[in-house]
Amino acid sequence: NAGVTQTPKFRVLKTGQSMTLLCAQDMNHEYMYWYRQDPGMGLRLIHYSVGEGTTAKGEVPDGYNVSRLKKQNFLLGLESAAPSQTSVYFCASSYSNSISGNTIYFGEGSWLTVV
Amino acid sequence: DAKTTQPTSMDCAEGRAANLPCNHSTISGNEYVYWYRQIHSQGPQYIIHGLKNNETNEMASLIITEDRKSSTLILPHATLRDTAVYYCIVRVARSQGNLIFGKGTKLSVKP
Repeated sequence: NAGVTQTPKFRVLKTGQSMTLLCAQDMNHEYMYWYRQDPGMGLRLIHYSVGEGTTAKGEVPDGYNVSRLKKQNFLLGLESAAPSQTSVYFCASSYSNSISGNTIYFGEGSWLTVV
Repeated sequence: DAKTTQPTSMDCAEGRAANLPCNHSTISGNEYVYWYRQIHSQGPQYIIHGLKNNETNEMASLIITEDRKSSTLILPHATLRDTAVYYCIVRVARSQGNLIFGKGTKLSVKP
């Protein structure tokens, strides 16, 4: 059981290049999330999805797009990378938004540097 | 949305109990308290969560005060591998399950 898997783990981009981060989960979770974490700071939500075919904006969505074509996959795209997008990106998933408290599981992170 | 306040850093001797406090004075009646930790350069790891009763699992214990305005995460026998940033989070029901991460407490377990 792999849990939440992110690819690639490391990437260096030039300003203006595009790329896609792939997140895959094998827990049959409905909800998936993309966060970014900058040095010395907590995680900030970029986009999230509450089910296949749905996406929604989080706290810091500008410069990113997402797609959830399959329940198990959540893609994060950078159309024109900027140095401000240098960060560590974490994908996460959970069963649902039940207030009774479903745990959110995180991937190991993708380190992106934009030069 | 309920916010949390945690000390910036704490030290603990290896083998001793680590008690990490968290204040959440504006928590609403149906909001849960979650604890996650992040070991350097890794993804956040779920530890425990609770509503009003004390909770215990294989990793830790969670003590919530009767008025629910504060809580304490207890690692009963801290090891060097418990060195991490610990996040106390109140679940925000309206935000589609988002977890609002603050800066957490940097716990350093020392030999």
